[in-house]
Amino acid sequence: QKEVEQDPGPLSVPEGAIVSLNCTYSNSAFQYFMWYRQYSRKGPELLMYTYSSGNKEDGRFTAQVDKSSKYISLFIRDSQPSDSATYLCAMSESGGGADGLTFGKGTHLIIQP
Amino acid sequence: DSGVTQTPKHLITATGQRVTLRCSPRSGDLSVYWYQQSLDQGLQFLIQYYNGEERAKGNILERFSAQQFPDLHSELNLSSLELGDSALYFCASSVDQQNTGELFFGEGSRLTVL
Repeated sequence: QKEVEQDPGPLSVPEGAIVSLNCTYSNSAFQYFMWYRQYSRKGPELLMYTYSSGNKEDGRFTAQVDKSSKYISLFIRDSQPSDSATYLCAMSESGGGADGLTFGKGTHLIIQP
Repeated sequence: DSGVTQTPKHLITATGQRVTLRCSPRSGDLSVYWYQQSLDQGLQFLIQYYNGEERAKGNILERFSAQQFPDLHSELNLSSLELGDSALYFCASSVDQQNTGELFFGEGSRLTVL
């Protein structure tokens, strides 16, 4: 069983829809949880960062962490065609540097105009 | 633009050869990370340097090595290349060794081994 599981998609939704992206993980020592967005032929860029369990909201994006279930989610409200990208969840035991980040394989999201 | 510069953007070489990938971190960032991205494995952490010293090691093969120079740029050396080494290699930087987990990624070097 891989440490981080993420549905690769593609996930195709109409513009304006609410998008839900998810990851499950097996390592209970993970404390820091991130979502990165990667456009085609570009490097990943950080979208959301969360420590431990709880919710965090930033504009149209909401990140949720449920450590008891080992499950994290990213919600995108009022989705736009510019949100079309691959979304990678990432997590680490420390602050993200000392042991590197463990990434999911990414979900390819397509927002249809 | 993340501020992280990687060269070359594309590289095609043959099995058994050696290549060097170069990374210049964002101005002021002391940590450099190398990641390998392939379709079947996703993004895999290879190695981290902080201010010239190796800080953490991930799934880096013995055929691969890296270093960070006094001007903080880093190089990833890949030798005795195999077909399976074909991948995107990303460099990322951050301001210190244990931060918020916000890594700034370059645009990657695409390596094709024929």
